[in-house]
Amino acid sequence: AQSVAQPEDQVNVAEGNPLTVKCTYSVSGNPYLFWYVQYPNRGLQFLLKYITGDNLVKGSYGFEAEFNKSQTSFHLKKPSALVSDSALYFCAVRDQTGANNLFFGTGTRLTVIP
Amino acid sequence: NAGVMQNPRHLVRRRGQEARLRCSPMKGHSHVYWYRQLPEEGLKFMVYLQKENIIDESGMPKERFSAEFPKEGPSILRIQQVVRGDSAAYFCASSPASGVYNEQFFGPGTRLTVL
Repeated sequence: AQSVAQPEDQVNVAEGNPLTVKCTYSVSGNPYLFWYVQYPNRGLQFLLKYITGDNLVKGSYGFEAEFNKSQTSFHLKKPSALVSDSALYFCAVRDQTGANNLFFGTGTRLTVIP
Repeated sequence: NAGVMQNPRHLVRRRGQEARLRCSPMKGHSHVYWYRQLPEEGLKFMVYLQKENIIDESGMPKERFSAEFPKEGPSILRIQQVVRGDSAAYFCASSPASGVYNEQFFGPGTRLTVL
């Protein structure tokens, strides 16, 4: 069965500092990993995905994520945080069974402090 | 190209009433997914539909909940005889095709409040 863990409910970072939002996963076979961002009272916006290939994936708004198979992790990163990055971030996974639905983590609330 | 549209954005119902949530996928998308988000939780999959077919309803509660995606018109998530525990945000997502590689595009959600 698939599962996703986001160990931190809340991450605070100063504007201009690098940020990391953590995600670990458990699937059968190869994982397909996604990051989404949710702003208040809005739907989820797709940021990036890992399917295969280069372990470092670049996405929207300057975000990137690193796939680490040995640690079963897919942490979201950004070199320099902006106040406008403050939002709720969700990691999601699919596996190779062909299930079309995404399994989501519980979310991490990122606050960037001016 | 308009994104995924959901209406209403906010819906208030009294216990025992019916709730109908509508979702229009992005243009060119024929696959629709419904998710439920309870307060302070992540999204939980409910059902996956293609036009006129329910493909996977493994996340749907066994009673009171149903979904359809007719040949014409939006997808509908229907909740009969609502209870307070049904209060949540319901999100619809769409994709152009099936397959594990495709990301899903989400609508703004319908926030259901049951009094």
